[in-house]
Amino acid sequence: GAVVSQHPSWVICKSGTSVKIECRSLDFQATTMFWYRQFPKQSLMLMATSNEGSKATYEQGVEKDKFLINHASLTLSTLTVTSAHPEDSSFYICSASYVVEQFFGPGTRLTVL
Amino acid sequence: QKEVEQNSGPLSVPEGAIASLNCTYSDRGSQSFFWYRQYSGKSPELIMFIYSNGDKEDGRFTAQLNKASQYVSLLIRDSQPSDSATYLCAVRRGQNFVFGPGTRLSVLP
Repeated sequence: GAVVSQHPSWVICKSGTSVKIECRSLDFQATTMFWYRQFPKQSLMLMATSNEGSKATYEQGVEKDKFLINHASLTLSTLTVTSAHPEDSSFYICSASYVVEQFFGPGTRLTVL
Repeated sequence: QKEVEQNSGPLSVPEGAIASLNCTYSDRGSQSFFWYRQYSGKSPELIMFIYSNGDKEDGRFTAQLNKASQYVSLLIRDSQPSDSATYLCAVRRGQNFVFGPGTRLSVLP
């Protein structure tokens, strides 16, 4: 199957700092990538849909100035959490669309102190 | 009405039994349907997808789709304790995927 990687797998940062998470499709080109957030024991929440070369489409309630998404190439999308606060602590998961299917990266666990 | 609905569970079945997971969706324009498995603390992994009415089998897993009833199910035969996880149903409409809340399955040894 298609492989999606994420880096870092976990990060701890201080409140007020920015954190960048990378998502890469390793063996295919992904025209569309998705960013999700998941709190403990809750379901996936779609944050934004990212198409290569264009601005991301954010879901209602997700602050685009706080969660900056860049989809610079067909294999790389980045999510930057700006001025992170403890309430941003969560499991962030990216996925990439390949033909019909969607494949997930392993996720990044963010802890903001 | 939520777009994709699943019984949150937990659904408990004994080892070796058939586990039946159900999902309903509201948008008749949905094109394809996916089942993902998510272990605690991990990201979802694709089990299988289906887009035509009827059954699709892959090993111990069978997906069933009934577009008229807007219903998709996943059967897991010979359930194993390692199948204990949350199962997510997802529906694709255009480039968008809509996920259900997931059903937690517990397979008891």
